[in-house]
Amino acid sequence: SAVISQKPSRDICQRGTSLTIQCQVDSQVTMMFWYRQQPGQSLTLIATANQGSEATYESGFVIDKFPISRPNLTFSTLTVSNMSPEDSSIYLCSVGDRGLPDTQYFGPGTRLTVL
Amino acid sequence: AQKITQTQPGMFVQEKEAVTLDCTYDTSDPSYGLFWYKQPSSGEMIFLIYQGSYDQQNATEGRYSLNFQKARKSANLVISASQLGDSAMYFCAMREGQGRETSGSRLTFGEGTQLTVNP
Repeated sequence: SAVISQKPSRDICQRGTSLTIQCQVDSQVTMMFWYRQQPGQSLTLIATANQGSEATYESGFVIDKFPISRPNLTFSTLTVSNMSPEDSSIYLCSVGDRGLPDTQYFGPGTRLTVL
Repeated sequence: AQKITQTQPGMFVQEKEAVTLDCTYDTSDPSYGLFWYKQPSSGEMIFLIYQGSYDQQNATEGRYSLNFQKARKSANLVISASQLGDSAMYFCAMREGQGRETSGSRLTFGEGTQLTVNP
């Protein structure tokens, strides 16, 4: 299985600031995804990070608020911009691979609190 | 559109007993995959088991098995011989399509079931 790490594991941020979350995978993977889990709720897909092109965002999420980079097949970043308390969530990176079609793995998550 | 329903917000089980967590789904795609994840209080999502819609047998992984009833559109997770460490939130998820061409498709998650294992 792919081993996924995320940095930071948690952070407390002030309103109006931005935070960049890193996702590193120990092998090359085809697809990388970013999910958000608001307190007490289920997971919602923010966007699919595409290598070499712009990310594909889900309804309700925009690039200005959640810019994403995917410079290669093992790394991606998600930035949460101009944060408000409503952005307090766990942010999870997930990977899928055509070599392992029956699995989808998640990173350990980044627990963000916005004051 | 895909939809996953988990009707049990919370479940309790005695240590060493078996427990079933319910999951029903709705999709118009005949090809799909069903996943179960465990989320302890630390927040990580741990992949437990996968069932493809064309799989003839129910999936099993150690103490986890999936009771797949296609006609009823249900994919219940059975945990045998519960352990205290099984206490966590459990999520059922679905991905439309199967195989290599769909490994990049999104997962749709249910609302989760909080399982508590009592000593």
